[in-house]
Amino acid sequence: AQSVAQPEDQVNVAEGNPLTVKCTYSVSGNPYLFWYVQYPNRGLQFLLKYITGDNLVKGSYGFEAEFNKSQTSFHLKKPSALVSDSALYFCAVRDVFGSGTYKYIFGTGTRLKVLA
Amino acid sequence: DSGVTQTPKHLITATGQRVTLRCSPRSGDLSVYWYQQSLDQGLQFLIQYYNGEERAKGNILERFSAQQFPDLHSELNLSSLELGDSALYFCASSVGNDYEQYFGPGTRLTVT
Repeated sequence: AQSVAQPEDQVNVAEGNPLTVKCTYSVSGNPYLFWYVQYPNRGLQFLLKYITGDNLVKGSYGFEAEFNKSQTSFHLKKPSALVSDSALYFCAVRDVFGSGTYKYIFGTGTRLKVLA
Repeated sequence: DSGVTQTPKHLITATGQRVTLRCSPRSGDLSVYWYQQSLDQGLQFLIQYYNGEERAKGNILERFSAQQFPDLHSELNLSSLELGDSALYFCASSVGNDYEQYFGPGTRLTVT
């Protein structure tokens, strides 16, 4: 079955340190992968996506993600965390079923807390 | 501001009632998606419309229905409401099927 896993409910990191938020997926075809961020009382905001091409994808606010097909992972990274990065992060995958039908599956979210 | 608008922001209603949530997509976007976010279920994809036609269905209950109108705005209808339907309902839009989604601010539904 198609799925997305974010194994950590919360990640704590000190300001200025590198951060990683993990995501693994399971889909039947080629995955379309996304990262979104949600600030309190707001809707989700798109950060970056992987469709095809370079395995390292760069996105908004200095975030990047590495697509690893053999490990079926799409971890979100940032070289130097900011306190303002503290938020809820969602990994999502679009799985194609054929005949142009598909659905989006979101992970359960990882709360990132950057400590000053 | 994503450009996606949702009304109302908050809705409080009683069990058994019916409500309608409204979404206006970003200018130029043809796809509209509906999601339900609750503490115990996380973010659940409900349904997607593309240029007026239903395109994909997720975990949408039979008591819920949606449509997309010729001007591309969409409505999500929730009927026979139960306490467990209390949640944040998000609408998102995208240009097409292969693109990132832009989320509205959500409608918080409280069923009492």
